[in-house]
Amino acid sequence: QLQLQESGPGLVKPSETLSLTCTVSGGSISGSSYYWAWVRLPPEKGLEWVGSIYYSGNTYYTPSLKSRVTISVDTSKNQFSLRLSSVTAADTAVYYCARHGTHGDYEYWGQGTLVTVSS
Amino acid sequence: QSVLTQPPSVSAAPGQKVTISCSGSSSNIGNNYVSWYQQLPGTAPKLLIYETNKRPSGIPDRFSGSKSGTSATLGITGLQTGDEADYYCGTWDSSLSAHVFGTGTNVTVL
Repeated sequence: QLQLQESGPGLVKPSETLSLTCTVSGGSISGSSYYWAWVRLPPEKGLEWVGSIYYSGNTYYTPSLKSRVTISVDTSKNQFSLRLSSVTAADTAVYYCARHGTHGDYEYWGQGTLVTVSS
Repeated sequence: QSVLTQPPSVSAAPGQKVTISCSGSSSNIGNNYVSWYQQLPGTAPKLLIYETNKRPSGIPDRFSGSKSGTSATLGITGLQTGDEADYYCGTWDSSLSAHVFGTGTNVTVL
């Protein structure tokens, strides 16, 4: 059974960079036709797709965050990571890592990690 | 704001049926597959429907998905207290070049 687990700081100061890592177990990131993504859930709001990466390194991001987001993959560690720069309180959210297919169906999710942006 | 609009809440008695609408446009629902997710309080979203009307293994046939034009619908029959959750639709938006999720619908079992 594929499992995903987010890790990283739960508190980030405004203007700094949020960094999270997703460790995948029970399956390989490489050599499959799936994408690896970050999705967030701000308080009292709905789900928001942040961006996705293919094991080859190809990435695509949501337009509103594109200038601040970087997603990378480390196939040797079976991990992928999120970096979001210049954060503000609006970036406070539960961040989920997930796997989706080519038609955008998100079948596997991590448990989520709350990141709070505050001084 | 999301480009996919859902009603904020729906409710019904146990055993009854509810439907949740997801309204979009030709750049998203009209020309792409739709998926649906259930999010119980404090947990990660769970895939209920993929490719508009297919159920993953383990999802009961009480849950169904359909699409007509630029709107999609999730149906839940035989409503149970365990179905109380937030539900989201999702799809690809060709104009935005982005995955998009609906505004979310809270289901209450009376």
